[in-house]
Amino acid sequence: GAVVSQHPSWVICKSGTSVKIECRSLDFQATTMFWYRQFPKQSLMLMATSNEGSKATYEQGVEKDKFLINHASLTLSTLTVTSAHPEDSSFYICSASWGETQYFGPGTRLLVL
Amino acid sequence: QKEVEQDPGPLSVPEGAIVSLNCTYSNSAFQYFMWYRQYSRKGPELLMYTYSSGNKEDGRFTAQVDKSSKYISLFIRDSQPSDSATYLCAMSEEGQNFVFGPGTRLSVLP
Repeated sequence: GAVVSQHPSWVICKSGTSVKIECRSLDFQATTMFWYRQFPKQSLMLMATSNEGSKATYEQGVEKDKFLINHASLTLSTLTVTSAHPEDSSFYICSASWGETQYFGPGTRLLVL
Repeated sequence: QKEVEQDPGPLSVPEGAIVSLNCTYSNSAFQYFMWYRQYSRKGPELLMYTYSSGNKEDGRFTAQVDKSSKYISLFIRDSQPSDSATYLCAMSEEGQNFVFGPGTRLSVLP
C-alpha cells in the first residue's frame, strides 16, 4: 500500500510558540491531503482538506488563522499550529488520497506546556 | 442521526473468537467502504477496501457490504491479542471525502 509519513512524531513546545507538522506521501502523488485531530479515546475529527496549489477547506469550528495549512507540492502538506496553547495539545494525523482510498500518516503528538 | 454509526465498545472477546464489527449508515449513495485498524497512539492503518456490495476476504479478515440494509461488517476469525485496537469504518460516494465512523475498541484477551 501507499506510505504516508509525518514529521515530527512528537513535539513539546511552550505556550505561544508555533509548531509546524509535515505530511509526506512517499511513493505516490497526492492531490488531496486531509488533516485530523484526535483526542484520547475519541474518534478522528477532520480539521481541513488540503488540495495541492489551492487554499485549504476548513471544517466548521476550525480556525484557519490558527491552523495554517500549506500544500505546496503533490507530496507535501504542512500544518502549522500558530501561537499554540495547552488546549491545542492533541494527536494530529494527516492522510492522503490515492485512487479511491485514503492512507494515513503515523500521527504527531503535540504537547503544549 | 449521524451519517455513520458504530458501536464504540469496548468489545472484549477471548483469543480465538470470531469478532464481528459493524457500521450502519444513512447515505444510500455511499459506494466505497473501508475498514481501518488504529493501535493506541498510532495512525489508522488500512485493512480492507470494498466497492459496492458483496464480500471480500483477506486472510483472517472478511468485509461484507449490504447496501440494501446500509450495513457493513468486518469479521475477524481466530482473533489474536494483537488484534486489540480501535477499528474504524469509512465510506464515500465517489472515493473522495470519506466519512468515518467513531470507531469500535476491541480487546482480545489471551
